[in-house]
Amino acid sequence: EVQLVESGGGLVQPGGSLRLSCAASGFTFSSYSMNWVRQAPGKGLEWLSYISSSSKTLYYADSVKGRFTISRDNAKNSLYLQMTSLRAEDTAVYYCARDLGGVVTNWFDPWGQGTLVTVSS
Amino acid sequence: QSVLTQPPSASGTPGQRVTISCSGSTSNIGSNSVNWYQQLPGTAPKLLIYTFNQRPSGVPDRFSGSTSGTSASLAIDGLQSDDEADYYCATWDDSLNGYVFGTGTKVTVL
Repeated sequence: EVQLVESGGGLVQPGGSLRLSCAASGFTFSSYSMNWVRQAPGKGLEWLSYISSSSKTLYYADSVKGRFTISRDNAKNSLYLQMTSLRAEDTAVYYCARDLGGVVTNWFDPWGQGTLVTVSS
Repeated sequence: QSVLTQPPSASGTPGQRVTISCSGSTSNIGSNSVNWYQQLPGTAPKLLIYTFNQRPSGVPDRFSGSTSGTSASLAIDGLQSDDEADYYCATWDDSLNGYVFGTGTKVTVL
């Protein structure tokens, strides 16, 4: 079964840092690009970042560019999101999702169950 | 603020057809394939329609997608109570160099 499991969420103070992880199983992780998407409480979905299978190509949403860093370890079947300079507006459920299709014709399937990040003092 | 605009809500009675619109621009819907995601209450989003009108295995053919110019639509035929969820359109945006989601539409079965 193809599965993605996020971890690393929690409560962090404004200005703090947090590293999210996404463990993949049931497919050849090294062959797929991956994404991070978040959803603030009661709000819609916001795409954050994309990483190609080889890590050569990275994309970021303007809202997190310069603060968040996406990375992966294909040997560990894991995706990461390093978040720094966190703000209250970063409070959200963070999802990882497998990327299918091409770069501009891509879709996300499956998604993980999400991990909650709360930025508050 | 999303670049893809959807109506905040849509509703219908069981068995009816419900249509959800998604309005974009030449840099997103006008250039790239549109996907739709369903998010049931309290769960993670799930892929519903990809590349305009393809359905993943397990998604009933009651769900269909279409595109015209810079707008896309999702139709749900034979509405069922299980269809109560939030629905999001999405595609790549060439100007933003990123993936964009619609504002989301909450479907209610009356």
